[in-house]
Amino acid sequence: DGGITQSPKYLFRKEGQNVTLSCEQNLNHDAMYWYRQDPGQGLRLIYYSQIVNDFQKGDIAEGYSVSREKKESFPLTVTSAQKNPTAFYLCASWDGGFSGNTIYFGEGSWLTVV
Amino acid sequence: SQQGEEDPQALSIQEGENATMNCSYKTSINNLQWYRQNSGRGLVHLILIRSNEREKHSGRLRVTLDTSKKSSSLLITASRAADTASYFCATDIAGNQFYFGTGTSLTVIP
Repeated sequence: DGGITQSPKYLFRKEGQNVTLSCEQNLNHDAMYWYRQDPGQGLRLIYYSQIVNDFQKGDIAEGYSVSREKKESFPLTVTSAQKNPTAFYLCASWDGGFSGNTIYFGEGSWLTVV
Repeated sequence: SQQGEEDPQALSIQEGENATMNCSYKTSINNLQWYRQNSGRGLVHLILIRSNEREKHSGRLRVTLDTSKKSSSLLITASRAADTASYFCATDIAGNQFYFGTGTSLTVIP
């Protein structure tokens, strides 16, 4: 079945470490997104990519980095510069308006600083 | 931030009752969408309403849009315990950036 796969589901980071969250989609979508969700809060846009080898910062990009080397993959690295990384991270892709203008989400990754 | 605001933040109703939640946003939009999120899961698309539409139905869902007031409402009729979730509105900016509201947490009591 087509969809978005995020891994790992749970991740623990020590102080000073960089960690990478994986996001893979087989929907053939050009656009992909990373959102951060804090408990009981809405989603905040970290980065988005409209096409391979191109990406733009969202509202809260500081302390994060991304790459888009392949259409199906959009990994997010949470760097040591992100001082409060504990949150739920959601990856999404967009159908470009061709089939209902729908955003598809992965099941999310929980990141906890220990 | 272009983020919208949902109202109320939390809503608790009895099974069979109707649930209404509202969304306000800040800028002109192309369309507005509603999503559902079960606890600890990803969001799932429910319904989209375009900026030139005023009302749309899908099963037990009814969405209205008032672009003059920059607001939308989602009505879930004859609620069920399985409707318990958080509901978010999403607006698109320039057709490729999507901003989500703060969400309404709905609890349906059996």
